[in-house]
Amino acid sequence: DIQMTQSPSSVSASVGDRVTITCRASQGISRWLAWYQQKPGKAPKLLIYSASSLQSGVPSRFSGSGSGTDFTLTISSLQPEDFATYYCQQAHSFPLTFGGGTKVEIK
Amino acid sequence: QVQLVESGGDVVQPGRSLRLSCAASGFTFSAYAMNWVRQTPGKGLEWVAVISFSGSNKYYADSVKGRFTISRDNSKNTLYLQMSSLRPEDTALYYCARDLATAPNSYYGPDYWGQGTLVTVSS
Repeated sequence: DIQMTQSPSSVSASVGDRVTITCRASQGISRWLAWYQQKPGKAPKLLIYSASSLQSGVPSRFSGSGSGTDFTLTISSLQPEDFATYYCQQAHSFPLTFGGGTKVEIK
Repeated sequence: QVQLVESGGDVVQPGRSLRLSCAASGFTFSAYAMNWVRQTPGKGLEWVAVISFSGSNKYYADSVKGRFTISRDNSKNTLYLQMSSLRPEDTALYYCARDLATAPNSYYGPDYWGQGTLVTVSS
């Protein structure tokens, strides 16, 4: 199975800050990577797929990059509604696997 | 708009069975692969199974293989997860989720998710 490791596990930031979250795959997955946002009590929401493609309706302050084993999710200017937990997921091979999550908290 | 509504979650004893259902609307159900994903506070998100748009192809996580069966009824726009030989470690919130991929026999992972149904396995 492909292991997905996210860092940091949590980050404290202020509105307007630039936030970067990293996801590392245990083996190369090309660009078969998705990012999700989850708020408390809600289902995850797809933000980015194919490492850098923005899902329809997602604000452009979210961006993704990377290929192979190392990927990043960047929020260019953190907004109040962005405080949530973020997960990466590899789509290269079964079983599909998720990272452990990064909680973005208010500083 | 895409809607996925899960049902069937319950408290069950270890070794018992349970069937989850997911009613889909707002899209052409028969054109998409569908997933089940579960979430626990301790283990985070865990993909459980996927079924192709026609139902002919199915893939499972090792943790549920041989115990869980994913199926679908395209005439009823409904996805199912039959769970047997349930274990305490199967306790989780189970999400039904549409697959992002649209090409036949192609899979990516979820794009739209339901709100989940809670399964608790405990004696």
